[in-house]
Amino acid sequence: DIQMTQSPSSLSASVGDRVTITCQGSQDTGNYLSWYQQKHGRAPKVLISAASVLETGVPSRFSGSGYVTNFTLVISDLQPDDIATYFCLQYALLPVTFGQGTRLDIK
Amino acid sequence: QVQLVQSGAEVKKPGASVKVSCEASGYRFAAYYIHWIRQTPGQGLQWMGCIYPYNAATEYAPNFQGRVTMTGDSSVSTVYMELTGLTSDDTGVYYCARDPRGLNWFDSWGQGTLVTVSS
Repeated sequence: DIQMTQSPSSLSASVGDRVTITCQGSQDTGNYLSWYQQKHGRAPKVLISAASVLETGVPSRFSGSGYVTNFTLVISDLQPDDIATYFCLQYALLPVTFGQGTRLDIK
Repeated sequence: QVQLVQSGAEVKKPGASVKVSCEASGYRFAAYYIHWIRQTPGQGLQWMGCIYPYNAATEYAPNFQGRVTMTGDSSVSTVYMELTGLTSDDTGVYYCARDPRGLNWFDSWGQGTLVTVSS
């Protein structure tokens, strides 16, 4: 199975900050990488697919980049509504596998 | 709009089985894969497998092969996931999710079903 190592595991930032979350794969996953936001007690919601494609309705302050094994999710201009846990998912190979998550809160 | 509605919380004893349903609406049911993912305190998010309602084809994760069965009923736009041989490690929230392009990522999720395994 492809292991996805996500960092940091938790992070505290201020409103207006730029936040960066990374995911590193144990194997080449091309651009088959998506990012999800999970608010407390809710199901995950997709933010980005194909490493950098912003899904419909997702604010433009979210962006994704990366290829092969190294991927990044950036939240620019952090908002209080962004308090959540963020996960990456590689879907290049079955079984698809998730990162362990990054818990983001506001200072 | 796409909506996936799951059945309610379950409490099971070790060794028992659980069957969770996922009713789809807002799109052509047979045309999209539905995946099952669980979230547990110990293992985080784990992909369990998927079903293609059009022809009932399934693919199961190796970790669940032999214990999980996914089925579908197009007459009620519902898929089912049954997990047998439950242990306390199976306690968690089980989600169904739609795959928009057959590429194994997920654009819509059910609300989740809490399964508690306890003696």
